[in-house]
Amino acid sequence: AQSVAQPEDQVNVAEGNPLTVKCTYSVSGNPYLFWYVQYPNRGLQFLLKYITGDNLVKGSYGFEAEFNKSQTSFHLKKPSALVSDSALYFCAVRGYTGGFKTIFGAGTRLFVKA
Amino acid sequence: DAGVIQSPRHEVTEMGQEVTLRCKPISGHDYLFWYRQTMMRGLELLIYFNNNVPIDDSGMPEDRFSAKMPNASFSTLKIQPSEPRDSAVYFCASSLDRGSQPQHFGDGTRLSIL
Repeated sequence: AQSVAQPEDQVNVAEGNPLTVKCTYSVSGNPYLFWYVQYPNRGLQFLLKYITGDNLVKGSYGFEAEFNKSQTSFHLKKPSALVSDSALYFCAVRGYTGGFKTIFGAGTRLFVKA
Repeated sequence: DAGVIQSPRHEVTEMGQEVTLRCKPISGHDYLFWYRQTMMRGLELLIYFNNNVPIDDSGMPEDRFSAKMPNASFSTLKIQPSEPRDSAVYFCASSLDRGSQPQHFGDGTRLSIL
């Protein structure tokens, strides 16, 4: 079965420090991987995706993610966190298993402290 | 690009009443998705359409829920009769395909059933 795990409910980081939000997945075949961000009272917004090619993917607002096939991970990173990055982050996987439905993780709340 | 538009943004009604949520997808997007978000269960896919045809409604919780897409620019999600446990934020999303393209979410309808 297809699944995605975000092992941390919450990540706390000081402004200016690097941040990492973790994601691991399980899917048959080659996965399509996505990160979304949700701000209060808003819908999910697409940040970046991995389809194929370079394992390091760059996205919106200075975020990037690294695809690691051997560890089945797709961690979200940013070199220098901003207070405005505080939000709920969702990892999602889409694969052939389950008819190409997108499976979302439970979400990780990021707090960036000034 | 106006984005995905949902209405109403907030709905408060009494148990037993019929509730209708509305969605206008992004023009040209062939796929439309309805999700429900709660603290306990996270983001759940209820149903999705391709070219106005329902493809997978396995996530619809019970017969009280129904969804239609009469044309490419409009979809409804109806709950009849509503129950307090239906209280949640309901999101509509659309995408160009179900493969490599991301989903674009509306800002949701916050539904409270008293």
